[in-house]
Amino acid sequence: GENVEQHPSTLSVQEGDSAVIKCTYSDSASNYFPWYKQELGKRPQLIIDIRSNVGEKKDQRIAVTLNKTAKHFSLHITETQPEDSAVYFCAATSDRGSTLGRLYFGRGTQLTVWP
Amino acid sequence: DTEVTQTPKHLVMGMTNKKSLKCEQHMGHRAMYWYKQKAKKPPELMFVYSYEKLSINESVPSRFSPECPNSSLLNLHLHALQPEDSALYLCASSQDVPRNTGELFFGEGSRLTVL
Repeated sequence: GENVEQHPSTLSVQEGDSAVIKCTYSDSASNYFPWYKQELGKRPQLIIDIRSNVGEKKDQRIAVTLNKTAKHFSLHITETQPEDSAVYFCAATSDRGSTLGRLYFGRGTQLTVWP
Repeated sequence: DTEVTQTPKHLVMGMTNKKSLKCEQHMGHRAMYWYKQKAKKPPELMFVYSYEKLSINESVPSRFSPECPNSSLLNLHLHALQPEDSALYLCASSQDVPRNTGELFFGEGSRLTVL
């Protein structure tokens, strides 16, 4: 099955700085890579996703890049704000084969943005 | 309506009790999921229903019994649980499993404590 590694496990930044979280995956069949943000006591919520036919996607202060050859993808948050503080999970899945229906999560990154 | 609603929000039960968790969505999604999440860990997949049929059971102990009465409802029946089953149980839905490369919508979760 798929194995998703996520780094770092904790990340502290000053407000206004950028934050980068990196993930690697093992299954070359994976073709969909979502990122979820989970605030304390809340549900995971999708913040951005990317499919394997695209190398980069941006949504305001958030961007995701994908390198299929190296099997890694990254989340970039610019101009961080205290409300960005949360646990971020990367994930990978495929729309075919034995992974169908399974979303493989990374272990999560606790991001803290200091004012 | 983009909500997945879960009840109850909190549940405390003894090891001999029988209880149920309920989940409802009205987005017309045909895939529904149960995840278990321990503190500071990613969600772990338990069950997937696709078109009201169980399509994935991740080797979950039989003390957890899922049920999908119709396309909008998902239940998780609990019986003879152990203290280590205490966790946040998240329900999720997505448009379609065969084209699963789409957003998972999570409910707020049911926080279960087993005494």
